[in-house]
Amino acid sequence: GQNIDQPTEMTATEGAIVQINCTYQTSGFNGLFWYQQHAGEAPTFLSYNVLDGLEEKGRFSSFLSRSKGYSYLLLKELQMKDSASYLCAVMTGGGNKLTFGTGTQQKVEL
Amino acid sequence: SAVISQKPSRDICQRGTSLTIQCQVDSQVTMMFWYRQQPGQSLTLIATANQGSEATYESGFVIDKFPISRPNLTFSTLTVSNMSPEDSSIYLCSVVAGGRDTQYFGPGTRLTVL
Repeated sequence: GQNIDQPTEMTATEGAIVQINCTYQTSGFNGLFWYQQHAGEAPTFLSYNVLDGLEEKGRFSSFLSRSKGYSYLLLKELQMKDSASYLCAVMTGGGNKLTFGTGTQQKVEL
Repeated sequence: SAVISQKPSRDICQRGTSLTIQCQVDSQVTMMFWYRQQPGQSLTLIATANQGSEATYESGFVIDKFPISRPNLTFSTLTVSNMSPEDSSIYLCSVVAGGRDTQYFGPGTRLTVL
């Protein structure tokens, strides 16, 4: 079976740095994705990791450790517009299929 | 990336009826998927829409309930058949586009079944 765990909810203040963790136990691994989803909208792609290490993209970075089944999304200089749900998804097997975690609701306060 | 549109954006339907959701992409794509997002939940893959052949369904989803068509590389439909209130969800299509196996999502169809 596939199991992907994320914290349900996190709260931080504007300007802070937050780290959203994702642990996974899946049969097979072909890559890990992070998506951002604002309320009432579709998920938008943030990052993709297939090799161990850190991928940096502006204020957002994502880290992967395949041996530990672990990833995190790092949000720097937090802004009010970053209030959203962040979804961790693992690609397994053939055919680009994604299995999503439950999502982390990130709240940003003044 | 790809520009993806879905119709309808939302609908309210009666129990026992069926609704067909359309997904249109602005470029030809090989891989296209249908997901469901129930209220307050994450996304669950329903099926892979295969061009020119029957869709590949995930465990818990069957063709009689969710028939899918994929007549070409830019278009697909998902039908939610014989609906019940438990089918109230957001239904999203996604495509693999650009590099690195990235999936991009359509805006979703918000379905409410009374």
